[in-house]
Amino acid sequence: DVKVTQSSRYLVKRTGEKVFLECVQDMDHENMFWYRQDPGLGLRLIYFSYDVKMKEKGDIPEGYSVSREKKERFSLILESASTNQTSMYLCASRSTGHGPYFGPGTRLTVT
Amino acid sequence: AQKVTQAQTEISVVEKEDVTLDCVYETRDTTYYLFWYKQPPSGELVFLIRRNSFDEQNEISGRYSWNFQKSTSSFNFTITASQVVDSAVYFCALSEARNTDKLIFGTGTRLQVFP
Repeated sequence: DVKVTQSSRYLVKRTGEKVFLECVQDMDHENMFWYRQDPGLGLRLIYFSYDVKMKEKGDIPEGYSVSREKKERFSLILESASTNQTSMYLCASRSTGHGPYFGPGTRLTVT
Repeated sequence: AQKVTQAQTEISVVEKEDVTLDCVYETRDTTYYLFWYKQPPSGELVFLIRRNSFDEQNEISGRYSWNFQKSTSSFNFTITASQVVDSAVYFCALSEARNTDKLIFGTGTRLQVFP
């Protein structure tokens, strides 16, 4: 079974804090993604990576950065969290012809 | 431009009824991929199917079946003999071959199955 795990299911942070969301996949997938999901706006792609140390901007990269030091791990970083980044964050991974498969999501609240 | 439309916002059925969730897509590419995902109340997006544009065969997996019709740009999903555990939001998505890493999602259809 494909397994994508995310470090937290629920997270509460204060405005201005630096926030790390971690994602790990165990299927040796090349590509990994970060989406956010908001009511009325659906799922929007923030960043994706097709290899270690490689990253590409998605549709809404502003206010976020990413890190991929190892193939199985893709981190999303909020340099200075703001209330408009309160959202559900979903990580996914895929390989050629398979997926993408999503993790369980992290519901982030910024107060 | 690519677009995925799920016109049904919410559907309610009683257990054992069959239900079809509609998905209509727009793309200029001749090579593309279509997906269905299930999102139960727990929030996880569960992968159901991926279909490429050259494979128009219908697919059946247990109580689930998918009908892909290029002529009408539709990729509809049918659940036969629905169960309460099928209650979830279902998303249809599209990616184009020139940018397979970018999925365009529909707005989802909330399915409620009542006992």
